[in-house]
Amino acid sequence: GAVVSQHPSRVICKSGTSVKIECRSLDFQATTMFWYRQFPKQSLMLMATSNEGSKATYEQGVEKDKFLINHASLTLSTLTVTSAHPEDSSFYICSARDRGTYYNEQFFGPGTRLTVL
Amino acid sequence: GEDVEQSLFLSVREGDSSVINCTYTDSSSTYLYWYKQEPGAGLQLLTYIFSNMDMKQDQRLTVLLNKKDKHLSLRIADTQTGDSAIYFCAEKSGGGSQGNLIFGKGTKLSVKP
Repeated sequence: GAVVSQHPSRVICKSGTSVKIECRSLDFQATTMFWYRQFPKQSLMLMATSNEGSKATYEQGVEKDKFLINHASLTLSTLTVTSAHPEDSSFYICSARDRGTYYNEQFFGPGTRLTVL
Repeated sequence: GEDVEQSLFLSVREGDSSVINCTYTDSSSTYLYWYKQEPGAGLQLLTYIFSNMDMKQDQRLTVLLNKKDKHLSLRIADTQTGDSAIYFCAEKSGGGSQGNLIFGKGTKLSVKP
């Protein structure tokens, strides 16, 4: 089946630094990628939808200047958390939509655990 | 707005059947999904059902859809300890093929030996 990878799987950084998370679709083309945030024992909250070659669409309440998303190719999207603070600590999950499936399945990456000290 | 509700916990004994229930609000949802999340991992699609279907069976998994009541359930037969995970129900918001997924909070399934 389709595979989505994320890198890094875990990152610890100091407050005020920026962190980049990569999301790759390994064996399919993804015109659309999604970035989610998951707090402990809570559901996934959609942060933004990223379409290849265009600006990301952010959900209400998500600061686009803080969470920079770049979707430069059909297999790669990046999320950069700028000037990270402890409250940004969370589990970030990306997914990629395989345009080849008739039910438009989203394939999820394994997630990135961000801890901001 | 769209909303998906699930019970938060379910505990069963190994070998029993598990039934996880979900209600949703968007009557225009074309597909409904069940995802499994193991600790520290991403989500794995278990199964999906098209909105014009009442039931779908895939090995140990049975999905029942009551579109009138907007109720979805996932039955796992002969539950194993490896089935312990969080199960998310999701609907595709809006009509068409480009809607986003709306997730429930997840049901934590604990399987006791």
